[in-house]
Amino acid sequence: NAGVTQTPKFQVLKTGQSMTLQCAQDMNHNSMYWYRQDPGMGLRLIYYSASEGTTDKGEVPNGYNVSRLNKREFSLRLESAAPSQTSVYFCASSRRSSGSLTGGWETQYFGPGTRLLVL
Amino acid sequence: AQTVTQSQPEMSVQEAETVTLSCTYDTSESDYYLFWYKQPPSRQMILVIRQEAYKQQNATENRFSVNFQKAAKSFSLKISDSQLGDAAMYFCAYRSLISNFGNEKLTFGTGTRLTIIP
Repeated sequence: NAGVTQTPKFQVLKTGQSMTLQCAQDMNHNSMYWYRQDPGMGLRLIYYSASEGTTDKGEVPNGYNVSRLNKREFSLRLESAAPSQTSVYFCASSRRSSGSLTGGWETQYFGPGTRLLVL
Repeated sequence: AQTVTQSQPEMSVQEAETVTLSCTYDTSESDYYLFWYKQPPSRQMILVIRQEAYKQQNATENRFSVNFQKAAKSFSLKISDSQLGDAAMYFCAYRSLISNFGNEKLTFGTGTRLTIIP
């Protein structure tokens, strides 16, 4: 199993350009997530997807769109990149829990990250 | 909203010694999970250890153990017999539910950079 994979590993964009970050998982997980990591701020949730066909906003969704193409793939799109979007982006996935907090571990597994620089 | 605080931006420890990383959190929930993730220079986020809030027993994974104090909302990580490969950023994270589908939402602290001195 490759786990969670992300492409590209590194990208440089000019302000106003668009791009899509790709994420795929081969663990048959229902839930997928996009986080961004900025210096001194930890990871923050951008969007998540509970299952194929559903997406919801996280803590910092402005300037991003997502698509849950199928169970395996969850993409993050920047329509008009801004320097404030310079960051490291992580995709993660997890199994859907039973709905009970005591139903078992639903650990999130992370991809290797995409480093994005917007000039 | 939940918050997670790691008050030690940097820590260092001599190889083979023991080090403790601090984490506090704020929540109004009674049941939740807590995690420690390790991020080495490769940037991969690796799960180190996890704790269920309803369990009084502290979690242990080989050289890694936690001191979970629910009333104090404290969740520290102890690394025994530190090794050079332990050098990394360590993030404390809180898990809450964000939808009826049982999704996880992880709230992260700002991290502690751990240096191992040979």
